[in-house]
Amino acid sequence: SAVISQKPSRDICQRGTSLTIQCQVDSQVTMMFWYRQQPGQSLTLIATANQGSEATYESGFVIDKFPISRPNLTFSTLTVSNMSPEDSSIYLCSVSIDRGRAFFGQGTRLTVV
Amino acid sequence: GQQVMQIPQYQHVQEGEDFTTYCNSSTTLSNIQWYKQRPGGHPVFLIQLVKSGEVKKQKRLTFQFGEAKKNSSLHITATQTTDVGTYFCAGPGAGNNRKLIWGLGTSLAVNP
Repeated sequence: SAVISQKPSRDICQRGTSLTIQCQVDSQVTMMFWYRQQPGQSLTLIATANQGSEATYESGFVIDKFPISRPNLTFSTLTVSNMSPEDSSIYLCSVSIDRGRAFFGQGTRLTVV
Repeated sequence: GQQVMQIPQYQHVQEGEDFTTYCNSSTTLSNIQWYKQRPGGHPVFLIQLVKSGEVKKQKRLTFQFGEAKKNSSLHITATQTTDVGTYFCAGPGAGNNRKLIWGLGTSLAVNP
């Protein structure tokens, strides 16, 4: 298994500002995944973060809006830039280990006002 | 594109009743995984099924992988209030990128 520490757990932000979410993993992993989850909905993959290369973004998500850093094999950040109320959601980081099983951080509950 | 459908979207049961959620993939899967997300929590891995026709049990939970490796089910016998949450199935996406394709989830409510 993997233990992932994600912070902040929640935040209330003003529109137009940016928030950086951090995830720290207790072991080295090749890929980290960033998801968005609206309340009561499924998980939507934002991007896959690989160490040493640019993140790969899913359709509908762009680097300017969601820049990702992956400085080493245990850490990643996701920034939600120039926020609007539509960005209010739960953001989750995840790693895939051990034959593809996913483990998640505790999530960041973001409210943009 | 590759899709994973899951039904029902919601299920409301009396404590003690059984519950089943079904998952169907548009493509053959190398494996299927099940996760549980408690209200306010994050998804937690429950089990992974790999073999065609595989059946695995975890106490009151029974997981099944179809013969064609395109569908799966999770059955809970005699539900308890601790079973409340959303159950997701997920299968690996195409390619070797470890990306998962998620079902929409089944939200289970249990009346005590």
